[in-house]
Amino acid sequence: DADVTQTPRNRITKTGKRIMLECSQTKGHDRMYWYRQDPGLGLRLIYYSFDVKDINKGEISDGYSVSRQAQAKFSLSLESAIPNQTALYFCATSDSGPNQLYEQYFGPGTRLTVT
Amino acid sequence: GEDVEQSLFLSVREGDSSVINCTYTDSSSTYLYWYKQEPGAGLQLLTYIFSNMDMKQDQRLTVLLNKKDKHLSLRIADTQTGDSAIYFCAEPLNGYQKVTFGIGTKLQVIP
Repeated sequence: DADVTQTPRNRITKTGKRIMLECSQTKGHDRMYWYRQDPGLGLRLIYYSFDVKDINKGEISDGYSVSRQAQAKFSLSLESAIPNQTALYFCATSDSGPNQLYEQYFGPGTRLTVT
Repeated sequence: GEDVEQSLFLSVREGDSSVINCTYTDSSSTYLYWYKQEPGAGLQLLTYIFSNMDMKQDQRLTVLLNKKDKHLSLRIADTQTGDSAIYFCAEPLNGYQKVTFGIGTKLQVIP
């Protein structure tokens, strides 16, 4: 079974709709991240969390919100989707503590299309 | 990844060597990373290098680090069609709280 899972894998929604993307991990990591990937722009950080009580904005948080329901779950919401939020969304996890490589482990991605 | 720069595209013939280049910004990073994204998948750590090293070799992969110029490169020897992917250079930020990624270099291997 995959260590980092994302649901749904694909979603088409209409402008103005609320949508939630979910991420679960079985790696036991403290840190979780949401990125979006756009052609020619690479990966950009939306939000990140170091534990259930710690939520931080990334470089492009406007229009998005997150919830860390448990150590293993981190969801991303688009309150009112707009077409320029069409992108590939990735969840990632990372361990913390001394002597860590701080490798990020990525889910398979959610392809979101807003029409 | 405005702070980590890479070219967008590289095309090589199968069996040739591929060299993907990157410039980064934070000279205090202890590690620098190369991630690989295969079609339809998430990113996966391919290799990394400690900042006190100039070179790291791992089978067909060679990572070169020039700290003076803040330049990182990934060389893939005997490139295979299975190496076709997007390769991201990455560096940690804010004491490893975050990682910033380059825009990714798409490697196309021509049979």
